[in-house]
Amino acid sequence: AQSVTQLGSHVSVSEGALVLLRCNYSSSVPPYLFWYVQYPNQGLQLLLKYTSAATLVKGINGFEAEFKKSETSFHLTKPSAHMSDAAEYFCAVSDESGYSTLTFGKGTMLLVSP
Amino acid sequence: SQTIHQWPATLVQPVGSPLSLECTVEGTSNPNLYWYRQAAGRGLQLLFYSVGIGQISSEVPQNLSASRPQDRQFILSSKKLLLSDSGFYLCAWRGQDEAFFGQGTRLTVV
Repeated sequence: AQSVTQLGSHVSVSEGALVLLRCNYSSSVPPYLFWYVQYPNQGLQLLLKYTSAATLVKGINGFEAEFKKSETSFHLTKPSAHMSDAAEYFCAVSDESGYSTLTFGKGTMLLVSP
Repeated sequence: SQTIHQWPATLVQPVGSPLSLECTVEGTSNPNLYWYRQAAGRGLQLLFYSVGIGQISSEVPQNLSASRPQDRQFILSSKKLLLSDSGFYLCAWRGQDEAFFGQGTRLTVV
């Protein structure tokens, strides 16, 4: 079975500050890992994904994440927060077979203050 | 390109009433389709998934059911809604490398 733990249900940063959202996973097989963003009352939009290629993955809107197998982590970062980054972020894991079910974390709400 | 349509966007239903939420996918064939429910602070809970017409797998016992009458159509239903069925429902289809989500349905049971 696979699982995802997102540390911190809410993270607050100031505009221009570093964003760090933490994600740890558990998987008995090589994982695929994803970060999605959700704006209020909307569906989920893919930010980036790790599919066993480069361990440092760059996504949209200046976000990136690094796959660290030894730490079973896939933390999401952005060097400088923007007001428009305020949203809920979900980390997800699936096995590497493709087309398989995604298991999501509980989400982290990112709050950005001026 | 692939698109996923989900409706309605919002729904207010009384307790005990029936429910039907529809999801359709365009631009792909034989997709793996999923229904998730999102409750505040609980993330996304997988309710049902389907790998083909008439093939439904349920992840959790509940008051809901799902059907897949056509290749690109996935329906979430209930005969009698409960207050606890309130939430944000998301339909998704799984491509080879990622999942694509509909815009969601906000269901409020009153």
